[in-house]
This record gives sequence, structure tokens and C-alpha cells, in this order.
Amino acid sequence: NAGVTQTPKFRILKIGQSMTLQCTQDMNHNYMYWYRQDPGMGLKLIYYSVGAGITDKGEVPNGYNVSRSTTEDFPLRLELAAPSQTSVYFCASIGTQGGGEKLFFGSGTQLSVL
Amino acid sequence: GQSLEQPSEVTAVEGAIVQINCTYQTSGFYGLSWYQQHDGGAPTFLSYNALDGLEETGRFSSFLSRSDSYGYLLLQELQMKDSASYFCAVGPDSSYKLIFGSGTRLLVRP
Repeated sequence: NAGVTQTPKFRILKIGQSMTLQCTQDMNHNYMYWYRQDPGMGLKLIYYSVGAGITDKGEVPNGYNVSRSTTEDFPLRLELAAPSQTSVYFCASIGTQGGGEKLFFGSGTQLSVL
Repeated sequence: GQSLEQPSEVTAVEGAIVQINCTYQTSGFYGLSWYQQHDGGAPTFLSYNALDGLEETGRFSSFLSRSDSYGYLLLQELQMKDSASYFCAVGPDSSYKLIFGSGTRLLVRP
């Protein structure tokens, strides 16, 4: 059972380039999240999804887009990368069954925009 | 909207007990969670409180008072490996948003 898998682990982008951060989970979770974490700071919610075909904005959505065509996959798209998007990005999912809403995190993607 | 407040740093001695507080303001409340994150790693789940009271899991306990919009994480018998950042989080709310506090960096000294 792999849990939440993110790729790539590291990436360097030039200003203005675009890229997609991949996230997949094999736990059949409906709810998935993208967070960013700047150095020494907390986690800020970018986008989240409550199921295939349904996405919504979080706290800091500007400069990002998401899609959710399947339960398993929740890619995050960066268009026209900017230095302010240099951060560590975490994808996470949460199960709907049982008590205790527990987030399962991927290992993160460290992105630098230069 | 939702906001959470935690102390930015706490220092304690190995073997001691430390309490990390979290106060929150939310438009709707669906539970308080705690996560641990070591440097360079991903956050990992520690505990979840949906109701008032104390939840105990080994050396870690978490408390919630919904009337006071307050909770805390209690770490007992501190070990060096407990040096990490600890985040409280509220939610998920009715829209399934889950919002994190800015984190408390715990340093355990010998």
C-alpha cells in the first residue's frame, strides 16, 4: 500500500515556465488537498477536492490550477512560475470512513523558481 | 474565516513535560488535529479531538475545550527525537477545508 505518492521530489523552474506536480493515492479517498509550506512556516491550503470532478479554492489559490478526473489523481498545475512560488508542496488525502479525520501526506515536492 | 494561533517556539529538557497551546477562530468547528513534522519531512498525524476532553496516545495527549476555542498537545517524558514542529489544524469543516496553524517548533535539550 503506497499511500500518497508525489512526483517529482525536486524541481527547478525558470521564471515564466509551467509545470505539473503529480499526486496519486491508492486508498480510495474522496478528499484530497494541496498545501504549500514556505521555509519555517505553516501549511497553506492551495486547492482541495471532495471527489472526482469537484475542486475548490483554498487560502492561496492564485497562480495555480487543479483538476480531478479520477479518485486517485489530483495534479497541481503552475502556470507562469514566479519566485514567490518557491516552496515545498505537499499533497494529502483524507478518508471519509471512521472517526478521526486523519490526513495522509505525500513526501513533498521541493520547487525552486529562479 | 478560520485562524489558529500557536506559540512559535518552545524549549524543554529531555524527560520533562511540555504543553503546546492552540487557540482558534472558526465559522464552524469540526475537530482539532495535531501533526508532527521533522525537518525535511512530511507532517504526520498525532491526534484528533472532536469532543471536549482529553485524548491519550502513549506519551502524547491532546485536549480540547470547544467553549473556549482552545486545545493543547501534551508531550510527556520528552525524548530528543521529539524535537520537531507541531501543528494544530481545524476542520475539516462542512466544505471539507482543513486549515493549519503556523506551527510550534519544539527543541528538546539534553
